[in-house]
Amino acid sequence: AQKVTQAQTEISVVEKEDVTLDCVYETRDTTYYLFWYKQPPSGELVFLIRRNSFDEQNEISGRYSWNFQKSTSSFNFTITASQVVDSAVYFCALSEAGDDKIIFGKGTRLHILP
Amino acid sequence: DTAVSQTPKYLVTQMGNDKSIKCEQNLGHDTMYWYKQDSKKFLKIMFSYNNKELIINETVPNRFSPKSPDKAHLNLHINSLELGDSAVYFCASSHQRQGSYNSPLHFGNGTRLTVT
Repeated sequence: AQKVTQAQTEISVVEKEDVTLDCVYETRDTTYYLFWYKQPPSGELVFLIRRNSFDEQNEISGRYSWNFQKSTSSFNFTITASQVVDSAVYFCALSEAGDDKIIFGKGTRLHILP
Repeated sequence: DTAVSQTPKYLVTQMGNDKSIKCEQNLGHDTMYWYKQDSKKFLKIMFSYNNKELIINETVPNRFSPKSPDKAHLNLHINSLELGDSAVYFCASSHQRQGSYNSPLHFGNGTRLTVT
């Protein structure tokens, strides 16, 4: 069965520090997709990235980067030079090819302190 | 233009009442979903429709009934509301059903339901 674990419930860092949010997943499929979503205090859910299981290249988008490692079943998210606006709950999610569901982790609440 | 819109944004009602939440997407997506987010922020899928056909029906009390009049709309009707139904309900859509393309979800802004 598929499962997503975000072991960090809450993280606080001072602005401009780098921070990494961990995501570990479980799946029996060889073809699957991983996602990250952001939920700022205003409450909406914003899609950040999708990665398929055959693409292990790391991705960088501005201050955001993602490290996908199949060997450790992890898809970690790093924010470089964090800003107060990065404060949010971040969700990692997984969907398997052939399954209609996207399963979410429990989220990591990130506080960026000024 | 709002891509996935749901109404109302806030819903406060008493136990035992029946209420509906409406959702519409203008993205031309084939698949729509209802997710429930509890007070601990846990997101759990409830239902999914693909082109008006129900494809996911998780273990949800039958007091919850989704209705999809067309592929752009997915409404959620809740009968005999209970205190435990208090949560934020998110509607979402995706280009195609998961399993074939696994496209990302586009979420509405949520409906905060409070049952007193």
